[in-house]
Amino acid sequence: DQQVKQNSPSLSVQEGRISILNCDYTNSMFDYFLWYKKYPAEGPTFLISISSIKDKNEDGRFTVFLNKSAKHLSLHIVPSQPGDSAVYFCAARIFGNEKLTFGTGTRLTIIP
Amino acid sequence: GAVVSQHPSRVICKSGTSVKIECRSLDFQATTMFWYRQFPKQSLMLMATSNEGSKATYEQGVEKDKFLINHASLTLSTLTVTSAHPEDSSFYICSATGGRTDTQYFGPGTRLTVL
Repeated sequence: DQQVKQNSPSLSVQEGRISILNCDYTNSMFDYFLWYKKYPAEGPTFLISISSIKDKNEDGRFTVFLNKSAKHLSLHIVPSQPGDSAVYFCAARIFGNEKLTFGTGTRLTIIP
Repeated sequence: GAVVSQHPSRVICKSGTSVKIECRSLDFQATTMFWYRQFPKQSLMLMATSNEGSKATYEQGVEKDKFLINHASLTLSTLTVTSAHPEDSSFYICSATGGRTDTQYFGPGTRLTVL
């Protein structure tokens, strides 16, 4: 049972445009969400997170939006840069539990 | 800050042998360490959670006698794949939490190939 889903396995975006990566979850107990970026043969790198008490968190070019009623979150990257090309994973956590549940990932390719 | 290292980065072994993978937190004390495995084009699957000085908690379906985890200090955890078989070939990644935040910081991963 995949509790965290990223339905788009891949996404291509022109350099300078906005990249939007989506993530859906089914477990209403999740209350903290994270985005990680991963290059091949490397471990994931933490990007940005959001608590369920917020609906938006911004850090530089990265903004995460959370829609609790729809059980949906998205990561916006603007402007997109070639170095953003990687696999992006969303992850979710239940309060008081350090265990992360990961989505299946979206491969983002930025086209110069 | 929050650097996690893994060693080795890549290992090839014969079927039936055991392989040990080390995970170290370099600049913080890791109260909890996690071990994941990732098959090609799939998500990271949590194998076990370990706290320093106590036994690891394994996820359902993970054989604790096959994947031995030791968390002997606040900066080191090891995963030993015992009697490895080709189906154990995978990318193993550790992560750690500790310090000021409970965000998980990941190591670079270890590619295990069992012949």
